[in-house]
Amino acid sequence: EIVLTQSPATLSLSPGERATLSCRASQSISRYLAWYQQRPGQAPRLLIYDASNRATGIPARFSGSGSGTDFTLTISSLEPEDFAVYYCQQRSNWPRLTFGGGTKVEIK
Amino acid sequence: EMQLVESGGGLVQPGRSLRLSCAASGFTLEDFAMHWVRQAPGKGLEWVSGITWNSGTMGYADSVKGRFSISRDNAKNSLYLQMNSLRAEDTALYYCAKDMNGDPPYAFNIWGRGTMVTVTS
Repeated sequence: EIVLTQSPATLSLSPGERATLSCRASQSISRYLAWYQQRPGQAPRLLIYDASNRATGIPARFSGSGSGTDFTLTISSLEPEDFAVYYCQQRSNWPRLTFGGGTKVEIK
Repeated sequence: EMQLVESGGGLVQPGRSLRLSCAASGFTLEDFAMHWVRQAPGKGLEWVSGITWNSGTMGYADSVKGRFSISRDNAKNSLYLQMNSLRAEDTALYYCAKDMNGDPPYAFNIWGRGTMVTVTS
């Protein structure tokens, strides 16, 4: 099983600041990584797929990068609605998919 | 509008079975892989199972393999999850999710609101 480790567990930032979230895979997954946002009480929402492709309707302040085992989700300037939990997910090992443990972005 | 609506959750005793359903509307289910993802109370997301567009390949998390079975009926625009030998640790909100692609799966771009499964004696 491919294990995804997200760091930090919690990120405390102010609106307007830049957020940098990390996802590390236990083995190379090429660029087969997606990122999701989950706000309290809501279903997850796809942000990024295949490491750097923004999903439909996702604002340009969200960007993804990385390949192999190390990946980053960057939010260039935090809006109030961006304070949420973020998950990474790999598809390299289909038919066994996995999520990371999540990073909570909270208001400082 | 593309929408997924899950049903079939509820309170069940350990060892018993439950069948979840997911009804799709606003798109043709048969073009896409589909998945079940669960979230235990206060915890993160866990992929449970997925199925390609033509049911050619099914995948399962180790935690449910041999107990859960995924299926789909493209004619009914529906996805199912048969859950047998339920355990307390299966207690979670179960989401149905549509994939961006048919085969192989890419990422989950449409999610339902979830149906709660509680396993307790």
